[in-house]
Amino acid sequence: AQSVTQLGSHVSVSEGALVLLRCNYSSSVPPYLFWYVQYPNQGLQLLLKYTSAATLVKGINGFEAEFKKSETSFHLTKPSAHMSDAAEYFCAVSDRGSNYKLTFGKGTLLTVNP
Amino acid sequence: GAVVSQHPSWVICKSGTSVKIECRSLDFQATTMFWYRQFPKQSLMLMATSNEGSKATYEQGVEKDKFLINHASLTLSTLTVTSAHPEDSSFYICSARDSGTANYEQYFGPGTRLTVT
Repeated sequence: AQSVTQLGSHVSVSEGALVLLRCNYSSSVPPYLFWYVQYPNQGLQLLLKYTSAATLVKGINGFEAEFKKSETSFHLTKPSAHMSDAAEYFCAVSDRGSNYKLTFGKGTLLTVNP
Repeated sequence: GAVVSQHPSWVICKSGTSVKIECRSLDFQATTMFWYRQFPKQSLMLMATSNEGSKATYEQGVEKDKFLINHASLTLSTLTVTSAHPEDSSFYICSARDSGTANYEQYFGPGTRLTVT
């Protein structure tokens, strides 16, 4: 079974500071990995995805993530936080053996202080 | 492209009644759709996988007789919450996989807020 662990349910940064949201996964096969963002009372928006190509993945809004197989990690970073980045972030792993269904982490709430 | 809509966006119903939520892929065909449930300040929990023309596959612990799923066309899946109770109040989100392209990615709808009084 696949699983995702997001360390830190709440991360607070100052505007302009580095954003680092941690994600570790467990998968018996090479994974597909995703980061999603959710604003209040809205659905999920895909930030970026890893599908076994380049290990450093660039996404929208200046976010990127690096797949590290040895560490089973897929941490999300952004060099400089903006107020509009305040939201809930979810890491997810796709199960290729079961219709590509997603298993989500518990989420990390990012707050950005002025 | 790859837009998924849900209707309604929010609904309030009385305990004991049934509510139907629609999930549509607007610009692609989706043989597979997924239904998730999200409680406040929690993550998304997969309820079931909906396959066009066949029975849905429910996750362990999800009552199939309570959460009826129908996927009668390549662009529409419906979730009916039967005999709703206050504990069914939640945010329901659907997603869809594009049958015609890279089949691993899911596109999410905006969600439906259900409140049972």
